[in-house]
Amino acid sequence: AQKITQTQPGMFVQEKEAVTLDCTYDTSDPSYGLFWYKQPSSGEMIFLIYQGSYDQQNATEGRYSLNFQKARKSANLVISASQLGDSAMYFCAMRERSNDYKLSFGAGTTVTVRA
Amino acid sequence: GAGVSQSPSNKVTEKGKDVELRCDPISGHTALYWYRQRLGQGLEFLIYFQGNSAPDKSGLPSDRFSAERTGESVSTLTIQRTQQEDSAVYLCASSLALTGVHSPLHFGNGTRLTVT
Repeated sequence: AQKITQTQPGMFVQEKEAVTLDCTYDTSDPSYGLFWYKQPSSGEMIFLIYQGSYDQQNATEGRYSLNFQKARKSANLVISASQLGDSAMYFCAMRERSNDYKLSFGAGTTVTVRA
Repeated sequence: GAGVSQSPSNKVTEKGKDVELRCDPISGHTALYWYRQRLGQGLEFLIYFQGNSAPDKSGLPSDRFSAERTGESVSTLTIQRTQQEDSAVYLCASSLALTGVHSPLHFGNGTRLTVT
C-alpha cells in the first residue's frame, strides 16, 4: 500500500495567490515525521517544512505552512503569495520508526505559477 | 563544502558498461541514503548506510547494483553491466542521525545517468 498519496499531478496558480497541495499518508506508528520538498527543474531537492506527529501546532516556514489534520492523516502544504520561482515539483514524504526511518515519498505535484 | 556533493553530475554510458557514482555527505552526518528518480516520477529508495554498514539493501533493483561507504563518509553506488532501464537520476542524501523521525534528509544535486 502507498504510504504517501498525492492526488494532484499538476496545478496552475496565479502569481500572488495561495495554493494548497494535498498529501495523505498511511501509518500505524504513533511517532512519525512529515516533510515537504521542492524540486525545481534544475533537479535539486530542497527541504521546505517539517511536521512531527506530536506537534500541537501546524508548522510554518515563511510563505509555507502545513495544514496538519492528524485524524484524517493529511498534511497539506499551503504556499501563500505564490511567486514565479515557486514553479516546481513538490513532494510530500514521511519518516517512521517501523520503516527504519527511511523517507518515503509521494509521486509529487507539479506547480506552475502564471504571471 | 557545506552540502551533499555528488559526482559526476552527468554520465552517459554504453549498455553493458559498469558505472560508479560518488557521494560526499555533509560532514558529521552518520546516515546516508541513495534514491533513484526516473523521469517525471517520484523517488525510489535504494539503500541506506548507518556509519559504514548497510542494514537494508532491499531496495536495490538487482544484483547488478551495489554500494559501499568508507570512513563514515564517502559512498559509491556501482551499477554493473548497465541496462537502458537504469537511466535515471541517482540522488544521494545524508541525515544527522539514522534514528528519529524529525531529521530531514539533505540531498545532493544528483547524477543523471543515461545508458545508450
